[in-house]
Amino acid sequence: AQSVTQLGSHVSVSEGALVLLRCNYSSSVPPYLFWYVQYPNQGLQLLLKYTTGATLVKGINGFEAEFKKSETSFHLTKPSAHMSDAAEYFCAVNPLEGGGFKTIFGAGTRLFVKA
Amino acid sequence: DTAVSQTPKYLVTQMGNDKSIKCEQNLGHDTMYWYKQDSKKFLKIMFSYNNKELIINETVPNRFSPKSPDKAHLNLHINSLELGDSAVYFCASSRPREGVTEQFFGPGTRLTVL
Repeated sequence: AQSVTQLGSHVSVSEGALVLLRCNYSSSVPPYLFWYVQYPNQGLQLLLKYTTGATLVKGINGFEAEFKKSETSFHLTKPSAHMSDAAEYFCAVNPLEGGGFKTIFGAGTRLFVKA
Repeated sequence: DTAVSQTPKYLVTQMGNDKSIKCEQNLGHDTMYWYKQDSKKFLKIMFSYNNKELIINETVPNRFSPKSPDKAHLNLHINSLELGDSAVYFCASSRPREGVTEQFFGPGTRLTVL
């Protein structure tokens, strides 16, 4: 069965420091991979996605993620954290089975940014 | 223009009542979803409709009944509300058969059952 594991339910960084949010997945075939961000009292919005091709994908707000098939990972990074990055981040996988209707979400990682 | 909208944004009600949440999307997508997010932010798929046909029905009490009158609307009716139903409910849409596998989420409906 497909699953998504986000390591660390909470991550705290200082403003200006590197942001690294970890995501590992299990899937029998290469899936489509996503990162979503959820700001307080809002819905989720797409940060970036990997479908095929270049394994390093860039998203909004300076975030990027790298698909590593051998490690079944899709970690999210940002070189320099801003206070406005404080939010909940969700890694998600679409295994593309049965029409690609189902997306499986990780449990989320709350990012705290200290001044 | 709001892409995926939900009403109401907040819903406070007593145990045992029946309530509905409405969702509309203007993105031209053919697939819509309902998710439940608990207090720990865990997101759980409840239902999905494609072209008004139910395609995903996870283990959800039959007190929850989705209805899709057309591709742009997916409503959720909940009977006999219980304390454990308190959560934030999100509607989302996508178009996976045309390669739009990412989901577009509404702002959420915070349901509080007293």
